[in-house]
Amino acid sequence: GAGVSQSPSNKVTEKGKDVELRCDPISGHTALYWYRQSLGQGLEFLIYFQGNSAPDKSGLPSDRFSAERTGGSVSTLTIQRTQQEDSAVYLCASGRGSPGNTIYFGEGSWLTVV
Amino acid sequence: DAKTTQPPSMDCAEGRAANLPCNHSTISGNEYVYWYRQIHSQGPQYIIHGLKNNETNEMASLIITEDRKSSTLILPHATLRDTAVYYCIVIRGGGNKLTFGTGTQLKVEL
Repeated sequence: GAGVSQSPSNKVTEKGKDVELRCDPISGHTALYWYRQSLGQGLEFLIYFQGNSAPDKSGLPSDRFSAERTGGSVSTLTIQRTQQEDSAVYLCASGRGSPGNTIYFGEGSWLTVV
Repeated sequence: DAKTTQPPSMDCAEGRAANLPCNHSTISGNEYVYWYRQIHSQGPQYIIHGLKNNETNEMASLIITEDRKSSTLILPHATLRDTAVYYCIVIRGGGNKLTFGTGTQLKVEL
């Protein structure tokens, strides 16, 4: 597609369940980012991929959160044993990974933990 | 990456130019100025970016001072749909992550 695609767009899950969120970056973009935004809050960086490796995982809030990227393309963010405080919109972004290039965002996956 | 300072909120009349300032006095020579906006909790939308020279595209103009310590985003004819939070971000680019501050809440009114 032309833009960053995320799925599901909305997810309601019970506390304690695991969830997987998917991101399809723009074709040819080597850099991929995950952010999250809780209601009324700012954007919080989670993790950055360059190709399939993650040189910056500094934003992952706990070991319940993990992410992987395969084939230098699709990425999956996994949240294990979800908690109510995990409720947020999870945003994926991608870019060419070179200075001066633009980073484009998807529309996000809304996660509600009940 | 350099820190930025933006006013928390601004108002603009529809049809008038909206001029959003950003201070980045500690910017380095290889750092770019990027502008994004976010409407409600939609994904941030890229607007424009620049290094030294002023830039213009179909959405906006970016004016960077000669010393590069500040910049202004100009929406030439603001509409109600331009109501959003506008973020000014300074970044070396490449794989560096965008760090979002609190931005400027622009409210365009009739």
